[in-house]
Amino acid sequence: AQKITQTQPGMFVQEKEAVTLDCTYDTSDQSYGLFWYKQPSSGEMIFLIYQGSYDEQNATEGRYSLNFQKARKSANLVISASQLGDSAMYFCAMREGPGFQKLVFGTGTRLLVSP
Amino acid sequence: GAVVSQHPSRVICKSGTSVKIECRSLDFQATTMFWYRQFPKQSLMLMATSNEGSKATYEQGVEKDKFLINHASLTLSTLTVTSAHPEDSSFYICSARSHGDDRDTQYFGPGTRLTVL
Repeated sequence: AQKITQTQPGMFVQEKEAVTLDCTYDTSDQSYGLFWYKQPSSGEMIFLIYQGSYDEQNATEGRYSLNFQKARKSANLVISASQLGDSAMYFCAMREGPGFQKLVFGTGTRLLVSP
Repeated sequence: GAVVSQHPSRVICKSGTSVKIECRSLDFQATTMFWYRQFPKQSLMLMATSNEGSKATYEQGVEKDKFLINHASLTLSTLTVTSAHPEDSSFYICSARSHGDDRDTQYFGPGTRLTVL
């Protein structure tokens, strides 16, 4: 079964607008971590934001925020005030359990920001 | 902080040759590094977990004799693709696990694009 699901293969947004990238996950663990990474065309994976399963507040990092809805098992990434440089692939990932080291990635969402 | 470098960034080789890719954590020590493979327009696929001073743990379906991993120090892991064939052509990307925070964040290198002719 897919552990991380990103249902949007592609998203379009205009510059300066906000955009939400969806991510749902599946786990029976109580302790887990959720990550979002950005992959521009150059290929590098850039860490954006982290949400721990026990964190009560939604994570925020600059223009990035994570809409964490634990009961729904969703961890959507919100990018505010989109910039042209935000155009990239975005991957949601999950690390299960405190001792687990592996990350499981979703299939990604390609975001295109237009002027 | 948390910078990971990878070398080379791009390599083209003939079929049958071996290629070594280096992954270094530049400003932190990483007891654990990971090697991923990414096909065009697809997600990252974990190949193996590399632990400093011990044997790597390979994911199911990954040939350990084909993809040799060495993690000789806390800042360096190497992936050697032995007897490379055209089907090994792919984007290989490493990550290093930072113990500096309680998130166990993985920081990624810039990747290596391997083309086997």
